[in-house]
Amino acid sequence: EVQLLESGGGLVQPGGSLRLSCAAAGFTFSNYAMSWVRQAPGKGLEWVSAISGSGGTTYSADSVKGRFTISRDNSKNTVYLQMKSLRAEDTAVYYCAKDMGELPWLAGGAKFDYWGQGTLVTVSS
Amino acid sequence: DIQMSQSPSSLSASVGDRVTITCRASQSISKYLNWYQLKPGKAPKLLIYAASSLQSGVPSRFSGSGSGTDFTLTISSLQPEDFATYYCQQSYSTPPTFGQGTKVEIK
Repeated sequence: EVQLLESGGGLVQPGGSLRLSCAAAGFTFSNYAMSWVRQAPGKGLEWVSAISGSGGTTYSADSVKGRFTISRDNSKNTVYLQMKSLRAEDTAVYYCAKDMGELPWLAGGAKFDYWGQGTLVTVSS
Repeated sequence: DIQMSQSPSSLSASVGDRVTITCRASQSISKYLNWYQLKPGKAPKLLIYAASSLQSGVPSRFSGSGSGTDFTLTISSLQPEDFATYYCQQSYSTPPTFGQGTKVEIK
């Protein structure tokens, strides 16, 4: 059974940093791309970042480019999201999601077949 | 970026009703459209991928159709566990983008 468990969320001041983790189990972790997707309070879903199975390729949304870094440790079956220079608009539940395939995303890629339950990040003074 | 819009934003329905949700893309995305179900405090769930392919383990009362810019998600007979918010997502180009969601509530 595929399981994804996020951790690391919490309250942080504007301009601060936070690192999210997502521990995966139940599949061959290094064979699949992984993504982070967020949902701000009362809003819809927004894709944030993706990383290939090897970790050699990453994509990020323009809204977080230069501030957030996605990485993975295949020996620990864990994907991370390092977040810096946090803003109030980064307040959201952050979900870890497994891709059905790999990067680069050709047309039809970016299908997220398993998700975690999310971790809440609140950016506020 | 490709913009996705859903209608309606919310709907009220009864158990046993047939429910249809529409998703429209700002440009043609061929068949590269996925549907997800979200419930508060639970992990989101992939229902349909590539417009009409049912994800493993998803009940057959869920179906999807469409191509190009217009897509639909249909629940043939609404069950109590189906009250949730549904999102479409295009996987035609990067970045993947989602619709604003459709909340299905109990009438």
